[in-house]
Amino acid sequence: DVKVTQSSRYLVKRTGEKVFLECVQDMDHENMFWYRQDPGLGLRLIYFSYDVKMKEKGDIPEGYSVSREKKERFSLILESASTNQTSMYLCASSPPGTDYGYTFGSGTRLTVV
Amino acid sequence: QKEVEQNSGPLSVPEGAIASLNCTYSDRGSQSFFWYRQYSGKSPELIMFIYSNGDKEDGRFTAQLNKASQYVSLLIRDSQPSDSATYLCAVSVGGGADGLTFGKGTHLIIQP
Repeated sequence: DVKVTQSSRYLVKRTGEKVFLECVQDMDHENMFWYRQDPGLGLRLIYFSYDVKMKEKGDIPEGYSVSREKKERFSLILESASTNQTSMYLCASSPPGTDYGYTFGSGTRLTVV
Repeated sequence: QKEVEQNSGPLSVPEGAIASLNCTYSDRGSQSFFWYRQYSGKSPELIMFIYSNGDKEDGRFTAQLNKASQYVSLLIRDSQPSDSATYLCAVSVGGGADGLTFGKGTHLIIQP
């Protein structure tokens, strides 16, 4: 089975801190994604990448950046964390071409205080 | 702006009955459709995908797609208490690299 691993299950950070959320997949997938999930708002796409060093903005990229230096790793960066970035962050990956759906990591619940 | 609409529920169904979950989408260019199940506190898990009009069956689950009506549904036969979860509909315009657009989910409760 594809495994998508997110480095932290729970994270508490202070306002203004730079925050790194790490995601690693072990199935050589080209495509990787970062979503956030909030009650009443559902899952929203932040950034995605279809190749190493490539990145595309999703629906809500403001306040975030990403890095993909290696195929298996996709990092989400909160440049200066704010309380409205308190959320569940979900990483996902998928193979290229025809849609097979995504495999999600277990999520990181980030609280910014 | 792509939109995917689902009734948030909760949808309450007796054990052993058929649960019917519905989803509509706005982008006529959508080509791929997915159903995810999400238990409370867990991440979404893919349970079904469908690309062509009609029905697709997998065990107790049937996905139905009607592109003309921009409508996709999920039927769960012989519902079990373990089916109680939030079900997310997701849509893609194709290719796998553009990101899925998710509905907000329907909360399903199977009553023993």
